[in-house]
Amino acid sequence: EIVMTQSPATLSVSPGERATLSCRASQSVSSNLAWYQQKPGQAPRLLIYGASTRASGTPARFSGSGSGTEFTLTISSLQSEDFAVYYCQHYNNWPPYTFGQGTKLEIK
Amino acid sequence: EVQVLESGGGLVQPGGSLRLSCAASEFIFGTYAMSWVRQAPGKGLEWVSAITGTGGSTFYADSVKGRFTISRDNSKKTLFLEMNSLRAEDTAVYHCAKGSGGYNYYYMDVWGKGTTVTVSS
Repeated sequence: EIVMTQSPATLSVSPGERATLSCRASQSVSSNLAWYQQKPGQAPRLLIYGASTRASGTPARFSGSGSGTEFTLTISSLQSEDFAVYYCQHYNNWPPYTFGQGTKLEIK
Repeated sequence: EVQVLESGGGLVQPGGSLRLSCAASEFIFGTYAMSWVRQAPGKGLEWVSAITGTGGSTFYADSVKGRFTISRDNSKKTLFLEMNSLRAEDTAVYHCAKGSGGYNYYYMDVWGKGTTVTVSS
């Protein structure tokens, strides 16, 4: 099973600033990596797939990068609606398609 | 609008059983793999189980293997999760999620709001 590790667990950033979230896979997943956003009481929402392709409706301030074992989600200028928990998940080859433990993005 | 809607959650005693359902709408259900993902109170997302579009292959997390069974009825556009020998640690919101493809290498592009399972005496 591939282990996904996200860092940091919590990130405090001021609105308008840049946020950088990291995700590491225990073995290569190529570019088969997705990012999801989850707000309290809501279902997760797909943000990024293929490590860097924005899903329909994802604002351009969200960008993903990386391949292999190291990935990054960057939010260029934080808006109030961006404060949430973010999860990475690999979907390489066959399940289990494990998730990272999440990064909580909070207002500084 | 493409959507999935879970049902069947509830309160069950340890050792008991429950069957979750997920009704799909506005997409060709049998074309896509489907998954169950759970979230324990205050915790992160945990992948639980998945099934290919045809239903020919199924996959389980080690934590539920041998106790849970995933299945689908493509004629009724419905996904199921049969849960037996339930434990307190199975308490969670269970989300149904549509895969972006039908076989493997798929991300989860549509999620349901979830159904709550509580295992307690």
